[in-house]
Amino acid sequence: ETGVTQTPRHLVMGMTNKKSLKCEQHLGHNAMYWYKQSAKKPLELMFVYNFKEQTENNSVPSRFSPECPNSSHLFLHLHTLQPEDSALYLCASSQGTPGSGNTIYFGEGSWLTVV
Amino acid sequence: EDQVTQSPEALRLQEGESSSLNCSYTVSGLRGLFWYRQDPGKGPEFLFTLYSAGEEKEKERLKATLTKKESFLHITAPKPEDSATYLCAASYNQGGKLIFGQGTELSVKP
Repeated sequence: ETGVTQTPRHLVMGMTNKKSLKCEQHLGHNAMYWYKQSAKKPLELMFVYNFKEQTENNSVPSRFSPECPNSSHLFLHLHTLQPEDSALYLCASSQGTPGSGNTIYFGEGSWLTVV
Repeated sequence: EDQVTQSPEALRLQEGESSSLNCSYTVSGLRGLFWYRQDPGKGPEFLFTLYSAGEEKEKERLKATLTKKESFLHITAPKPEDSATYLCAASYNQGGKLIFGQGTELSVKP
């Protein structure tokens, strides 16, 4: 059972397509995150939102565009991606930021394949 | 440089064979050390948070400990269902930074 729901679970898109990943958290948290997980690499932080405001952009290319309309929903808009962007994209949430020792809870992830 | 290093990268155990996973960290001002379990194709599942050296936490066959330089995840009498990748992460300073290690892939054979 997870309090963070991601859709779709699997997505295949061409390099010229535009698609979006959706995340919803049911935990009442105020912070939400996008992470990228590639094979054999540590989780890589992409974006952080706290109370709907973006507080971290970890030098992510502009072909990834996040949107956070409220504290419960987070989107990642994708356009003109490259094959090397194929990875597992994980959404997460926390009550407060991990810099205060708060725990981050993850969703099941969206598997993205760029062809 | 702030970093988290896990060892070994992969560990194969027989059912019932106890062992430990290591997580070494070098961060300034540790705020929390986190352990997660990740099954193939799924998101990381939270296990433990440790805040200060000397702290220990247990859950079923798992026990996490913390020193000033590293954390251990001890697995006692593991079962095949304990097979997964175990991730550790460290949060530091007051920002939203959380650094993950590369994980230890544990395989427990019956």
